[in-house]
Amino acid sequence: DGGITQSPKYLFRKEGQNVTLSCEQNLNHDAMYWYRQDPGQGLRLIYYSQIVNDFQKGDIAEGYSVSREKKESFPLTVTSAQKNPTAFYLCASSARRGQGQPQHFGDGTRLSIL
Amino acid sequence: QKEVEQNSGPLSVPEGAIASLNCTYSDRGSQSFFWYRQYSGKSPELIMFIYSNGDKEDGRFTAQLNKASQYVSLLIRDSQPSDSATYLCAATFFSGGYNKLIFGAGTRLAVHP
Repeated sequence: DGGITQSPKYLFRKEGQNVTLSCEQNLNHDAMYWYRQDPGQGLRLIYYSQIVNDFQKGDIAEGYSVSREKKESFPLTVTSAQKNPTAFYLCASSARRGQGQPQHFGDGTRLSIL
Repeated sequence: QKEVEQNSGPLSVPEGAIASLNCTYSDRGSQSFFWYRQYSGKSPELIMFIYSNGDKEDGRFTAQLNKASQYVSLLIRDSQPSDSATYLCAATFFSGGYNKLIFGAGTRLAVHP
């Protein structure tokens, strides 16, 4: 089954701790994205990547880091510098870069502070 | 600041009625527009996309685009209780050599029996 897999579904972070959210896709999509969603708000772009070994900051990149070593994988690290990490994190992918193609989402990871 | 605006709702409609969801966008250069449905606690699911002025129909859903007015709408005919969800409108804008999506905050739709 083709799709986007995010793990874990729920994650708890202790103060001062870095945590990594996994995102894997088997859709052969070039572009991948990370969004954050807070209650009652739209999705805000954290980072995006159009090709392997290249990624760009989105609107709210501070306190986050990413890597894109493989086409299929785009992990997001929430660092201790992100002071308000509690949110619903969504990974998405799309077929072609820069073409306005639809983005498809994984099931998301809910991150909370312990 | 590029923006997509939606009425937060809730929009309440009776079962079987037409639900009309509206969205405006600020970037006149936006070319592609998307409607996502998001059930409570779940991730967004793409239901429609539209690139050209006019109407696009898919089953009970019709997307309408008016680029001159910078306005996108989604009509849901024969609304069902299972359509109750938050509907997110998104528009592309070009920045730094890439097309990116800007999402509205969503309109909550409640279909009552």
